[in-house]
Parts: sequence; C-alpha cells; structure tokens
Amino acid sequence: KNQVEQSPQSLIILEGKNCTLQCNYTVSPFSNLRWYKQDTGRGPVSLTIMTFSENTKSNGRYTATLDADTKQSSLHITASQLSDSASYICVVSAGNAGNMLTFGGGTRLMVKP
Amino acid sequence: GAGVSQTPSNKVTEKGKYVELRCDPISGHTALYWYRQSLGQGPEFLIYFQGTGAADDSGLPNDRFFAVRPEGSVSTLKIQRTERGDSAVYLCASSTTGGLTDTQYFGPGTRLTVL
Repeated sequence: KNQVEQSPQSLIILEGKNCTLQCNYTVSPFSNLRWYKQDTGRGPVSLTIMTFSENTKSNGRYTATLDADTKQSSLHITASQLSDSASYICVVSAGNAGNMLTFGGGTRLMVKP
Repeated sequence: GAGVSQTPSNKVTEKGKYVELRCDPISGHTALYWYRQSLGQGPEFLIYFQGTGAADDSGLPNDRFFAVRPEGSVSTLKIQRTERGDSAVYLCASSTTGGLTDTQYFGPGTRLTVL
C-alpha cells in the first residue's frame, strides 16, 4: 500500500527562525513529490514539485530536497514569518494514469512572534 | 483568473439524509479530482475524472458515494444515506490534463457535518 509519513506532527518556532520538516514515503512506481501548504479552512496550495532526477528545489524561502534512494524528502523554511503558520503536506504521485496523489498527514507549523 | 470553487462551503445534515456537493473547476481543465480530508489528516483520494468519464473511482469508500461530471466541467459528489463517519472536508481539485507533473489546484472545500 502506498504511504507517506511526515514528522513532526506539529512544530512551534519563533519568528525569524529556520525549521525543517521531514517526509518518508513508500510509493511505487514513483513519479514526483510535492510539498503543499494548507492554511486553515483553505485547500492545499502547491509549493514545490520534484521528479526522480531532481534532488533540490527552491521557492523563495522554501527549499525542498529529495533522496529517491532512501525515499525521503525534507522541506526547509528559512527566516520564518508569522504567515508561514499552516499545515505542510508532503504528497507523492505514483505515476499511474491520472496522477492520483498519496498525501501525508501533514506537519502543523505555528510561528510565534 | 477564477480558481476552483466549491459549494456549499458548509453543509450540516442529519444521519440518513442525501447530500450533493458541487465543484466548479478551473475553466479548460480536463482533469478533476475529489478528495476527503478528516480532521488533522491529509486528504484521501476518492475519484478522478478525465473529461466526462470517471477514470478511477477506486477511492470511493462504498456504494453510497457517487460522482458525476456530465458536461466535463462542473462535478457533483453525491452521498446517500449519510452516516456520522462521512463528516469531513470534501476537497475538489482540477488540473489541465491530468499529466504526471500537472499541478492540481484545490478548491476551499466543503465541510460536511452529519449529526
């Protein structure tokens, strides 16, 4: 069964600090991995997407890494802002027709002033 | 341009009732997805449409759940004989073609509460 696991489940950091969120997956065959940001009461919004051959991708203060050998990914947030408070969801596509996605449970990040 | 919209934003119903949830995808997107998100969890896949046809409905939990997309744009998720366990946020997403690297754009969701 395809699974995506994230850690930690929740995290509290002070504004301006950096943090790293982890994602482990067992999805086969692997097509791509995405990180989504989901604000409370909203639908998820895509931050980054990485295919098998990519091991790092940046989007502003967000940097995602991918190790396809160990089936691990991380999302690093630099110089956190209050608006970064949200759930961050790791999503893996199995490469099957239609691009159905397997979602992790998310990491709930709270940035405090 | 307009994003994915879903109506209603909230729906409260009684156990045993029938509900319909609507999704308006981004204009021109041929692929449409329904997901269900329980509190504190990531979304779970329900069904995927390519045009008017359901290309994969393997995520529908049982035969009380059904979805249609008759004209290849708007989709309706239908739930019969609702149960308390159906309470969740139902998310709709669309993408241009359903390709492997297409970004799925999500709507705000419909929060369903079954009393």
